[in-house]
Amino acid sequence: GAVVSQHPSRVICKSGTSVKIECRSLDFQATTMFWYRQFPKQSLMLMATSNEGSKATYEQGVEKDKFLINHASLTLSTLTVTSAHPEDSSFYICSAIGQGALVGRGTQYFGPGTRLLVL
Amino acid sequence: AQSVTQLGSHVSVSEGALVLLRCNYSSSVPPYLFWYVQYPNQGLQLLLKYTSAATLVKGINGFEAEFKKSETSFHLTKPSAHMSDAAEYFCAVSDGGDYKLSFGAGTTVTVRA
Repeated sequence: GAVVSQHPSRVICKSGTSVKIECRSLDFQATTMFWYRQFPKQSLMLMATSNEGSKATYEQGVEKDKFLINHASLTLSTLTVTSAHPEDSSFYICSAIGQGALVGRGTQYFGPGTRLLVL
Repeated sequence: AQSVTQLGSHVSVSEGALVLLRCNYSSSVPPYLFWYVQYPNQGLQLLLKYTSAATLVKGINGFEAEFKKSETSFHLTKPSAHMSDAAEYFCAVSDGGDYKLSFGAGTTVTVRA
C-alpha cells in the first residue's frame, strides 16, 4: 500500500524545451504533495508544496515561473520545468501525504524519482 | 527551524555485524521522526517512524530506532548487516504542522563480505 509513481523515470531534452514530470498516488488520495530536487551525493532539497486545487507554495530561492506545479486532483501532481537549461539537470523526487487506511498520519511516501538531463 | 544532524557520512560494516547510524535532531516541540533508505537511482523508502507512541520503534528489514528525548537522538540500528543493506540512509524530522520534512545529510552504508 501507499504507492507513489513518477513518470517518466528518466528524460533527456534539449536546452530551451519544457519537460513535464507526473507524480501519482496509486492507492490513496494525496492531500498534499511535495517536490524535491536531489544533486549527486547530496540530501533532498524541498522545492515546493502543493495541495489539491490550490497554488503551490515554493521554497525560498525556487523560481515559480521556472518550475510550474499543478495539483489538479487528489492523485496527480505535475512539475513542469520550463525552458530547461543544463543546470536544471538533476534527480527530481515527489512525495505524497494522504488519508486512508493505507497511509500513516503525516507520513510522506516517495516516488521513485525522475532523472532529468538537459543537453 | 527544524534541523537534523547525521553523524558520519559513511559507515562501513562487515556482513553480519551491527549497523548503527546516528541521528540527532533539534526541535522545540515533540517531533515526528523518520528514517528513510534510498537505493541508487531510486526514491526514498520508509524504514520506520516515531510518533510519540513507543520510544523503541521497529521498522522493516530488521531495523529499529530508539527515541531518546534527553539526548535528542533517534539512532537507527540493525543487529546483523546484510549485503542488501548497502544504501543511503536519511534521518528526517517534522513538527507535524505542515508535514514538511527536514532531512539530514545522509549516511552511506557499505557492507563488506
